[in-house]
Amino acid sequence: EIVLTQSPGTLSLSPGERATLSCRATQIVTSNYLAWYQQKPGQAPRLLIYGASSRATGIPDRFSGGGSGTDFTLTISRLEPEDFAVYYCQQYHASPRTFGQGTKLEIK
Amino acid sequence: EVQMVESGGGLVKPGGSLRLSCLASGFTFSNYNMNWVRQAPGKGLEWVSSISASSSHIYYEDSGEGRFTISRDDAKNSLFLQMDSLRAEDTAVYYCARGTYVFDYWGQGTLVTVSS
Repeated sequence: EIVLTQSPGTLSLSPGERATLSCRATQIVTSNYLAWYQQKPGQAPRLLIYGASSRATGIPDRFSGGGSGTDFTLTISRLEPEDFAVYYCQQYHASPRTFGQGTKLEIK
Repeated sequence: EVQMVESGGGLVKPGGSLRLSCLASGFTFSNYNMNWVRQAPGKGLEWVSSISASSSHIYYEDSGEGRFTISRDDAKNSLFLQMDSLRAEDTAVYYCARGTYVFDYWGQGTLVTVSS
């Protein structure tokens, strides 16, 4: 199974700053079959990005995804107060679909 | 508006059984592959099981194989997960999620606690 490792575990930033989250896979994720989700406390995850770089419906353009192969990133260009949450990457190149362990984005 | 509402969670003893349900609305349920994804307390996300739109393809995560059974009733816009021989490590919030590869809509989840 493909293991996804996210870094950092916790990222402390201030509103208005730029956030860069990383997701590394143990095997090449072909066709960029990688997604990103946001989860706030007590809520279900929300799909942000699929296909490594395509924003899901209704997702603001301050969220962008990039990368290929085994290394992927989620960038939030200017943090808004509502962006502080836990972020997960997920691969759907191979079965079983697997998630990273998450990056907690907290207010500094 | 797409909505999914899970039910059926609760406290069960090790070795016991539970049947989770997910009632969907706001989309043509029969056209979509559906999934169960779980999250242990304070932990990350773990895919549990998937069922195709026609119920012809069914998949399970290794630890659920032989213990969990996924099914659907398209006439009732409902997804189910029968969980038998439950273990402490099955304790989690179980989410119903729509999608073939990515999970584009999620329910709010139902908590399953396995404890004596």
